[in-house]
Amino acid sequence: LAKTTQPISMDSYEGQEVNITCSHNNIATNDYITWYQQFPSQGPRFIIQGYKTKVTNEVASLFIPADRKSSTLSLPRVSLSDTAVYYCLVGDPPMDTGRRALTFGSGTRLQVQP
Amino acid sequence: DAGVTQSPTHLIKTRGQQVTLRCSPKSGHDTVSWYQQALGQGPQFIFQYYEEEERQRGNFPDRFSGHQFPNYSSELNVNALLLGDSALYLCASSLDGGSSYEQYFGPGTRLTVT
Repeated sequence: LAKTTQPISMDSYEGQEVNITCSHNNIATNDYITWYQQFPSQGPRFIIQGYKTKVTNEVASLFIPADRKSSTLSLPRVSLSDTAVYYCLVGDPPMDTGRRALTFGSGTRLQVQP
Repeated sequence: DAGVTQSPTHLIKTRGQQVTLRCSPKSGHDTVSWYQQALGQGPQFIFQYYEEEERQRGNFPDRFSGHQFPNYSSELNVNALLLGDSALYLCASSLDGGSSYEQYFGPGTRLTVT
């Protein structure tokens, strides 16, 4: 199975850029790396996904090095409403049975202060 | 356009009982995945259904089974409930995109086993 590591928590102030890194070993070679945001009592919400290098959308950027052993979610100019838990999601390599699973990271709790 | 819906919202069961949770995917989505999220933990992948077949499965015992109907809705069944099965059960829907993991999550069903 894939193994992921994320910082447990991070603190920031409004208007700052926040970078959250997920280390992931033994992931499926052809799958995207995906990031989600979760607020209390809600299901996770898709933020961004990428395969290699850099991807940017209207809310975040995602940096993935060539070896794909980590990925960094970048949130520009965070606001109080960005206080949430952030998860990376990766695909596991195929098992002997041909079945595959997905692995969420343990999550990073981001606290944004005014 | 309705998003992913799950029922029931909350459920209390006794050890040894059986439970069925239900999920309706976002309109146009054909793939449904189920996750278990214990308090303070990241979601754990249970399995994924596509074209009424279980396509991927995580490290969960056979007590966890599922079904997908022709209208793409899905059920998660858990037999012989254990106290450790108490968790938030999340359903996520997506379009069959091969290596993409862009999923839309429902609000979850909170299962308490006493």
